[in-house]
Amino acid sequence: NAGVTQTPKFQVLKTGQSMTLQCAQDMNHEYMSWYRQDPGMGLRLIHYSVGAGITDQGEVPNGYNVSRSTTEDFPLRLLSAAPSQTSVYFCASSYASGVPDTQYFGPGTRLTVL
Amino acid sequence: DAKTTQPNSMESNEEEPVHLPCNHSTISGTDYIHWYRQLPSQGPEYVIHGLTSNVNNRMASLAIAEDRKSSTLILHRATLRDAAVYYCILPEGNNDMRFGAGTRLTVKP
Repeated sequence: NAGVTQTPKFQVLKTGQSMTLQCAQDMNHEYMSWYRQDPGMGLRLIHYSVGAGITDQGEVPNGYNVSRSTTEDFPLRLLSAAPSQTSVYFCASSYASGVPDTQYFGPGTRLTVL
Repeated sequence: DAKTTQPNSMESNEEEPVHLPCNHSTISGTDYIHWYRQLPSQGPEYVIHGLTSNVNNRMASLAIAEDRKSSTLILHRATLRDAAVYYCILPEGNNDMRFGAGTRLTVKP
């Protein structure tokens, strides 16, 4: 099993550009989520999904879109990048969504917006 | 509102036990206590979780106070590879892991 994979590892964008961060898991997990981590801070939840076709907002959803067309993939789209979105982005997945379950995190995507 | 309180940093010597404290005075009866850690430049990884009883696994032990208002993560013999930020978390509904700043553990050789 590859676990949770994220691409790209690094990305530099200009203000106003759009892009999609990719996340995939091969563990047949129902629950997937996206977090951002700013320097010296903990992780904050952006969006999450409890299964294919179902998504919902987390703590800091503004400026981001998600969709979940398959169990395996959960891409995060930045619609119009802003310097405030400079951060490290982590994708996570877990088997269950109804109760707190062990989450598996990807290696992260480091995004810089100029 | 922070649901957990942890010291910002702690130091340990290699091969010695480490006790990482966490206060969660507003914990409810159904809240599980989860611990994750984040090694430098990596994503968080699961360490251990528990509800009421003390828990052990190959990585660590979790000691939960009788009133459940505090817990302690115990690393029995710290190694240099254990240097990381340790997060104590009470997940919200829908598996929302509210990560605070955590405790940065430094292990000295």
